[in-house]
Amino acid sequence: DTAVSQTPKYLVTQMGNDKSIKCEQNLGHDTMYWYKQDSKKFLKIMFSYNNKELIINETVPNRFSPKSPDKAHLNLHINSLELGDSAVYFCASSLGQPFYNSPLHFGNGTRLTVT
Amino acid sequence: SQQGEEDPQALSIQEGENATMNCSYKTSINNLQWYRQNSGRGLVHLILIRSNEREKHSGRLRVTLDTSKKSSSLLITASRAADTASYFCSGGSNYKLTFGKGTLLTVNP
Repeated sequence: DTAVSQTPKYLVTQMGNDKSIKCEQNLGHDTMYWYKQDSKKFLKIMFSYNNKELIINETVPNRFSPKSPDKAHLNLHINSLELGDSAVYFCASSLGQPFYNSPLHFGNGTRLTVT
Repeated sequence: SQQGEEDPQALSIQEGENATMNCSYKTSINNLQWYRQNSGRGLVHLILIRSNEREKHSGRLRVTLDTSKKSSSLLITASRAADTASYFCSGGSNYKLTFGKGTLLTVNP
C-alpha cells in the first residue's frame, strides 16, 4: 500500500517541452508539498497546499504550475522546460502543519532529465 | 531562511560503531525533525523532538535538542550496513519544512 505515490518515476524530455508529474496520497492528509532535490542533494521546497489551497510558493518560476483537484492529489505541470529543471522532484504530505508536530511523508521521487 | 543544516557532510564508520550527526537552524522552531533518505528513494521520517524536550530516544536513535544554541544532534548506536543513507534535519514551521544537503553516512561492513 503506497502512501504517497508519484508518476512517472523517470521523465526524459527535450528543452522547450511541457510535462506533468502526478502525485496522490492515501493517508487522509490535508497538506501536500512539492520539493526539488538538485544534484548536490539540496532539498528545496517549491509549493505547499492545504485543503486544495496554495499556502507556500517559494519564488518558483511561473513555468511551474501546481494543481490540487482534491486533498488527495497535487500535480505539477512544467511549461517550456529548461536544462536547469533537471532534478528529482518529490511530493510529500502531512496532516496539518509541520509546526504542529506533523511529520512529512514523501513519495519516491520523479527524476526529470531535460536534454 | 534555512531551518536545517547538517554537519558533517559525510561520515564513514565501521559496522558496530556509533554515528553522530549535527544540525543547526536559524530561527525559533516548534519542533525539530530528522529524516533518512536511502539512495533513489524519498525521505523517511525518523524522529521528532519538541522544543520543550531536551532528549528523545527511539530504538537505536538518540536525539538531543539545545534551543539556546539552535542545534540538535542525532546519534545512531551500534550502526549497521543498512543505516547507510543520507540524514536530514529540519525545524517544523508553518506549512513547510526546509532542509539542508544532509549528512551522507556510510557504514562499512
